[in-house]
Formats: sequence, C-alpha cells, structure tokens
Amino acid sequence: RKEVEQDPGPFNVPEGATVAFNCTYSNSASQSFFWYRQDCRKEPKLLMSVYSSGNEDGRFTAQLNRASQYISLLIRDSKLSDSATYLCVVNILLNTGGFKTIFGAGTRLFVKA
Amino acid sequence: DTAVSQTPKYLVTQMGNDKSIKCEQNLGHDTMYWYKQDSKKFLKIMFSYNNKELIINETVPNRFSPKSPDKAHLNLHINSLELGDSAVYFCASSQVQSLGGELFFGEGSRLTVL
Repeated sequence: RKEVEQDPGPFNVPEGATVAFNCTYSNSASQSFFWYRQDCRKEPKLLMSVYSSGNEDGRFTAQLNRASQYISLLIRDSKLSDSATYLCVVNILLNTGGFKTIFGAGTRLFVKA
Repeated sequence: DTAVSQTPKYLVTQMGNDKSIKCEQNLGHDTMYWYKQDSKKFLKIMFSYNNKELIINETVPNRFSPKSPDKAHLNLHINSLELGDSAVYFCASSQVQSLGGELFFGEGSRLTVL
C-alpha cells in the first residue's frame, strides 16, 4: 500500500465550479500535512499547510481527519489558472528525530471556460 | 535571485555514460534533497542531507552518489546511466528545525538516456 494515496483524476470542471480532492495516508507517525501545486513541466510549490482544525486561504479550504488518516482540499469558484496537479504531502517523523517528506502521485485538475 | 538552482536543466546522454547534476540553495537552509519524478509523475525522494550529513537514503541503486561539499550545495552523480534513469530530477531544500517547513524546489533537471 502506498504511504500517500490520491485519486489521479483528471478532474474536468467548468469555471466557477467547486471541486474537492481527497488523500489518505497510511503511516500513523505522520506529523504534518500539506498541499502542493505543480504546473505542467514546472516544479512543485507549496499551496497550503493543513491543520487539524481545518484552514482556509481564499478559495481554498484544507481539512485533516487524523482518526481516519484523511486529508482534503476544496477549491471554490474554480479559475482557469487553477488547472494544475495537486500533490498531497505528508511529513513522517523518523526514529532519528528528523522527518521524511512523502508526496502523493497527485490529482490533475483541468478547469475549462 | 533563484532560491534553489540546479544545472543543467536538460541533459541528453547515451546509456553507460556518467553524468552529474548540481544544486545550490541561497536560502540558508539546513536540509537539501534529491527527488526523482518519473514518466508517471510520481515524485519520490532519493536522498536527504542535513548540514552535509546524509540522513535519508532511499532504495536507490548505488550508481547514484550524492555529494554535499557544504550545506548550500548538493550534487548528484550518476554512473553507468540506464534507460530507466530517464526522469526529471528535482533538488529541494528546507529548514529542518521546523517540522512544518516548506520545501523549496529547483526547476528540475530533465534527464533523457538514449
């Protein structure tokens, strides 16, 4: 079983739509969680961190359910510029005290006019 | 100023050759990484260095050898290149003290082995 699993999509949505992505993780030593965005042929960039209480940044809302080991990202009022691959990311605490960052395979989103 | 820069951006080479990719970060971060993104777009960690010390070494063929001359640089040398090594290699850095530390990526080095 992969440590971080996501629906690869693609999700094809019209402008203005609301779209939600889900992610599950398997390692209970997972400590912190993020969503990254990767545009075609570009490097990944941090979109937002995910907190236990849930957090919002403009049109983007992230949720974490530690009991179910589940993370979500909600995008409201989709824009053409939201078209990208969204990567679910988990930091796992190592025995050494450091951590390892694991990326999901990503969910592709296409927003169409 | 580019925070994390890696060179070359594109590399086309023959099987069996040896090649290197260089990475430098000017963010003052303690930790640097190499990730491999294959044709299926799966981003997988290869190595992690903290203050020039290797802390993560995933199951990677020993043809891959990272070298960190100082904490601002992490180079990747690949011996005896194989077709399956074709991928985009991303260098990244973070401030390890913060568990929630953001990873900053370079633009990637696209390696094609013929």
